[in-house]
This record gives sequence, C-alpha cells and structure tokens, in this order.
Amino acid sequence: EAQVTQNPRYLITVTGKKLTVTCSQNMNHEYMSWYRQDPGLGLRQIYYSMNVEVTDKGDVPEGYKVSRKEKRNFPLILESPSPNQTSLYFCASSFQGQGGRAEAFFGQGTRLTVV
Amino acid sequence: EDQVTQSPEALRLQEGESSSLNCSYTVSGLRGLFWYRQDPGKGPEFLFTLYSAGEEKEKERLKATLTKKESFLHITAPKPEDSATYLCAVRESGGYNKLIFGAGTRLAVHP
Repeated sequence: EAQVTQNPRYLITVTGKKLTVTCSQNMNHEYMSWYRQDPGLGLRQIYYSMNVEVTDKGDVPEGYKVSRKEKRNFPLILESPSPNQTSLYFCASSFQGQGGRAEAFFGQGTRLTVV
Repeated sequence: EDQVTQSPEALRLQEGESSSLNCSYTVSGLRGLFWYRQDPGKGPEFLFTLYSAGEEKEKERLKATLTKKESFLHITAPKPEDSATYLCAVRESGGYNKLIFGAGTRLAVHP
C-alpha cells in the first residue's frame, strides 16, 4: 500500500530536549516536505527536499533541521524545542516534475507538545 | 504575496442540503489547484486537482470547479460522513512542488 509513515504520532517533551520525528515513504517520490498545522493558519511549509542530499528552507524553518540521506526517509529534527513549536506536524511526498500536477501524499501527523 | 483564502471558515448543513465552499487565490502563475479532505487527527487526503480555468471534476457528491481567481467545491445532498475540514492548496510556477494552503473550511453535516 502506498503510504507516508510518520513516527511518533504523539509526543510530549520538555523545552530544550532534542527530538527527531521520522518520515518514510514507499512510493519512490523525489520531493518530500514537512508542514506544521496551527489553528487558523493552515498548513505552512517548514523544509523541503527535491532529492537525496538536496534540502531547502520553506516558509517557517527557524528552529528546525532536516536531512535526506536516503530517498525514502526525511526526518525532522528539533535541536532545542520551545513551546512555540507545539503544533501538528505533517510529512508529505510527491513526484517531482509532471508539470507540477502531481498530488502530494500526507502522513498521519505527529502531534507535538513542548512544555 | 501569494495567498489562498477559503470561505466560510465553518459551515453547518442539514443532511441533503447542498452548498458550496469557496477558495480564492492570488499567485503569479498557477500550475495546479488541489482540494484535500482532512478528518480530525488525520493527514489530508487528496480529492481533486484542477489545472485550467473552466475545468471541472466530480467524485460522488463532490464537484470541483475552477476559474482564473477562485475554485468552488460543490457538495450535493451531503451526508453526515461528508463532515470534515476541506483544504484548498495551490502550486505556483517556479515554486517547485510547494503547496500553499488555505486555512480550510470545517463542514458539519447533521442528520
């Protein structure tokens, strides 16, 4: 089954404690990205990757890091989480190209609470 | 600035009461407009892609249309299982595969 898998689904952590949210896709997609979703603001892009070893900042990258060592995996790293990073996070993947017409597939989401 | 605005923020319908959701956008060049459905606590689920003004797509009780400045998601004779948040997103020219999302419309359909 084609899917994007995120882990963990729920996470409560304390300010400053480094954490990693994993994301894996089985569709051989080149493009992967991370979004955060906050009430009233919609989904905002944090980082994206067009292929292995190619990553770039999205609209709200501060406080986050990513890496793309393998095509299928795109982990999101919070080196020193702060309460304003409490949010619902989604990983997404899609084929690159196709005139921009390829739909994005989303993971189930990770609800992060930083206290 | 590129922007996607959805209205209304929330909509309550009786079962069988048809209505429309609106998505207006301002981008420099549209490569595609996407509609997604999101259930509470879950990731967005793809519904439709529209590429050019005048295009229409249908799926069960849903029909999406596109003009040069907005898209409508028409819901005909909705059922309670259609209750969800509906998200609109655009992909612009030169933005790689980035999707710009609206804040969504929360739809509640009551029996």
